[in-house]
Amino acid sequence: SQQGEEDPQALSIQEGENATMNCSYKTSINNLQWYRQNSGRGLVHLILIRSNEREKHSGRLRVTLDTSKKSSSLLITASRAADTASYFCATDEGNNDMRFGAGTRLTVKP
Amino acid sequence: DSGVTQTPKHLITATGQRVTLRCSPRSGDLSVYWYQQSLDQGLQFLIQYYNGEERAKGNILERFSAQQFPDLHSELNLSSLELGDSALYFCASSVDAAFYNEQFFGPGTRLTVL
Repeated sequence: SQQGEEDPQALSIQEGENATMNCSYKTSINNLQWYRQNSGRGLVHLILIRSNEREKHSGRLRVTLDTSKKSSSLLITASRAADTASYFCATDEGNNDMRFGAGTRLTVKP
Repeated sequence: DSGVTQTPKHLITATGQRVTLRCSPRSGDLSVYWYQQSLDQGLQFLIQYYNGEERAKGNILERFSAQQFPDLHSELNLSSLELGDSALYFCASSVDAAFYNEQFFGPGTRLTVL
């Protein structure tokens, strides 16, 4: 069963714009990770944020975590056509299980 | 290229049959994870092996089993296949047992059950 819920389900933007995706979850977590998946291919790890962190950056990616609201957001700045993919959040509850959300399908138009 | 290999890429079989999916982790990685991705269930963690031992279990059906061999490659066995088992099966590897370590995913095996 899934733990995280991404929002929106699909997002279409122009190259150069910023893309924001949100993830909400239900239970306490140890950490939250974001992954990217190009169509039909394996997932690529993007960034991990621990429960005691509020914000993390990696290149054009910015992730925030609000444990009081049980939510996280992924911001991709200055998007490129190559960013077109599905993005998933995954939560680690510390019970040796990892739960993925349903994903946000991002389309970046050139 | 993540360094994780999976074979076969595609598998088409009939209901009631049994198949074996194979995964070779990145060199040096001791953990192997198996995931199922389907349209109705999304991405689900199935099972993790670490250095030959089962480490964690997720939503794995009793008809499914896995093992990790001394050379650290892993196999996922799916038996008494049903139509609903049609999905992409991914394996991933990481350097040790903790879930918070970065996992490197293979390209997946697409299973079609007819």
